[in-house]
Amino acid sequence: AQTVTQSQPEMSVQEAETVTLSCTYDTSESDYYLFWYKQPPSRQMILVIRQEAYKQQNATENRFSVNFQKAAKSFSLKISDSQLGDAAMYFCAYRSREGTYKYIFGTGTRLKVLA
Amino acid sequence: EAQVTQNPRYLITVTGKKLTVTCSQNMNHEYMSWYRQDPGLGLRQIYYSMNVEVTDKGDVPEGYKVSRKEKRNFPLILESPSPNQTSLYFCASSTAEWTWGTQYFGPGTRLTVL
Repeated sequence: AQTVTQSQPEMSVQEAETVTLSCTYDTSESDYYLFWYKQPPSRQMILVIRQEAYKQQNATENRFSVNFQKAAKSFSLKISDSQLGDAAMYFCAYRSREGTYKYIFGTGTRLKVLA
Repeated sequence: EAQVTQNPRYLITVTGKKLTVTCSQNMNHEYMSWYRQDPGLGLRQIYYSMNVEVTDKGDVPEGYKVSRKEKRNFPLILESPSPNQTSLYFCASSTAEWTWGTQYFGPGTRLTVL
């Protein structure tokens, strides 16, 4: 069975600085998707960035980028020029691309942004 | 506006009293899922549906039922709720395309079982 691990329950970053959130996963599959979701205090789940496992190029969305290391099964999220609005819970998620529609989420990392 | 709606948003009930949480999407998505979110455990998938009349268990299906009679609706049924089902519940939907399958989430339902 697949697992997703976020080992940092909480992190802090100074406004305008850069922070990296860690995510590791375990799977025997070769083809899958990886996602980072943001959950602000409103509790709404918002997709931040996504990565297809067969693509070697790391995904980037404005200030958000990932470091995808397939062999190491690592999928970290880098937030550049952190803003107060980035303060939220961040979840890493895995989804198989080999026949099922099952999603596996990590336990989350709470990010605090200090003014 | 493309959205996933859930009702009710908040519910307090008592042990054993059957309840249904509705979920509806207006994006013509084939796939729909239910999750529960608990502190320290992240989101865990309860059930998902790949199309009308096709459902499958996620990681924590015990104590829950679902049905998918129409494409737009995917209700979550708790036949006999217990206090350990107190949680924040999310419904989500996505397209059937295997390229991305990006999920759109509803606003959440906060359920308390006394």
